[in-house]
Amino acid sequence: GAGVSQSPSNKVTEKGKDVELRCDPISGHTALYWYRQSLGQGLEFLIYFQGNSAPDKSGLPSDRFSAERTGGSVSTLTIQRTQQEDSAVYLCASSLVGQGPSGNTIYFGEGSWLTVV
Amino acid sequence: ELKVEQNPLFLSMQEGKNYTIYCNYSTTSDRLYWYRQDPGKSLESLFVLLSNGAVKQEGRLMASLDTKARLSTLHITAAVHDLSATYFCAVDGFYGGATNKLIFGTGTLLAVQP
Repeated sequence: GAGVSQSPSNKVTEKGKDVELRCDPISGHTALYWYRQSLGQGLEFLIYFQGNSAPDKSGLPSDRFSAERTGGSVSTLTIQRTQQEDSAVYLCASSLVGQGPSGNTIYFGEGSWLTVV
Repeated sequence: ELKVEQNPLFLSMQEGKNYTIYCNYSTTSDRLYWYRQDPGKSLESLFVLLSNGAVKQEGRLMASLDTKARLSTLHITAAVHDLSATYFCAVDGFYGGATNKLIFGTGTLLAVQP
């Protein structure tokens, strides 16, 4: 598989627990994104990485959410003290950036389905 | 703030018919994306439209972009059941460059009936 890989695919956690979601982007893709998809809010941008730095964290809904990326590759999205409203599908995506006028297709992973009970 | 609106939200159509999904956005952008999502699956890239007047076609789907009207359309020709899915348009939130921070529309749930 050369696609974006996410784990776990499903996670059920108790309210108040911390969770970590992992994303392994397509090899060579410098840009990495996290989105959240829920019934009430649709698809929401969370954070964008260019290499290891995050120039845009504007979508993180609260300070309970954080993300990091190491080695320009794998990223982890951490949600602390989970709440029921955090239940959603967390989608990771990656793309090449700075490739001129050809446009950059953004490839999405299968998502991590998070349920907070 | 960039807003992206799609209509209709739900479309039930018969096989063999044609229809169009509309995507309007509120501020200037020069990159528009169409995605398909099957139930329980992730987003599959369909088209990337980069300039005014761009038109792309793949099979029974054709997408176009009018940046002056801030409008993109996804036209379905002679629909077949396999096209049943949710279709999203998304706009890059930065004009003149590419942040690839996509703002998504609400999605259009397409159900093609035999």
